[in-house]
Amino acid sequence: TQLLEQSPQFLSIQEGENLTVYCNSSSVFSSLQWYRQEPGEGPVLLVTVVTGGEVKKLKRLTFQFGDARKDSSLHITAAQPGDTGLYLCAGDAGNMLTFGGGTRLMVKP
Amino acid sequence: GAVVSQHPSWVICKSGTSVKIECRSLDFQATTMFWYRQFPKQSLMLMATSNEGSKATYEQGVEKDKFLINHASLTLSTLTVTSAHPEDSSFYICSARDRGLGEKLFFGSGTQLSVL
Repeated sequence: TQLLEQSPQFLSIQEGENLTVYCNSSSVFSSLQWYRQEPGEGPVLLVTVVTGGEVKKLKRLTFQFGDARKDSSLHITAAQPGDTGLYLCAGDAGNMLTFGGGTRLMVKP
Repeated sequence: GAVVSQHPSWVICKSGTSVKIECRSLDFQATTMFWYRQFPKQSLMLMATSNEGSKATYEQGVEKDKFLINHASLTLSTLTVTSAHPEDSSFYICSARDRGLGEKLFFGSGTQLSVL
């Protein structure tokens, strides 16, 4: 089983601050996905990165895929209370999606 | 976009009963569906991969006789928790792969199972 280590596990910040979440593995993935999950709901896909070195932006969120396609990061600029939630990275190795441990983000107003 | 419908969203049952959870792809054919289990404040743990018309592939440590998975059609997979016990209480989530959309993965809204 391929492992994805996600850090930090918990993050509590003030509104307006920036943050970065990391997702690391010793395995190579064909693609890597980032999800956001609200309590009692299924994960919602934010982005999929496929190419090594790829950078994608989604409003205040910037996603980067490592050159070797083993790691990824999610950077949030000027965090808002609405960004609060569980962020999950997931590596796609063909017929299986492996999830990182998740980062629980709380943005305080 | 593609929709995966999961039912029920919440179920409470007595210990010893069996509970069936349905996962349907509403507007696409899903040859592969995945079942996950999630404990409070934790990430998703893959339980099994379900391929249409064949037996499910279970992850290590998941009892196949306890968690019965059936994927009888291209739009429906079911997970039956047999003889449920309180330790089976958890949030169960299904997902389906849409090959028509570059093999994107879509998630159901989850089922909260509480076994008394």
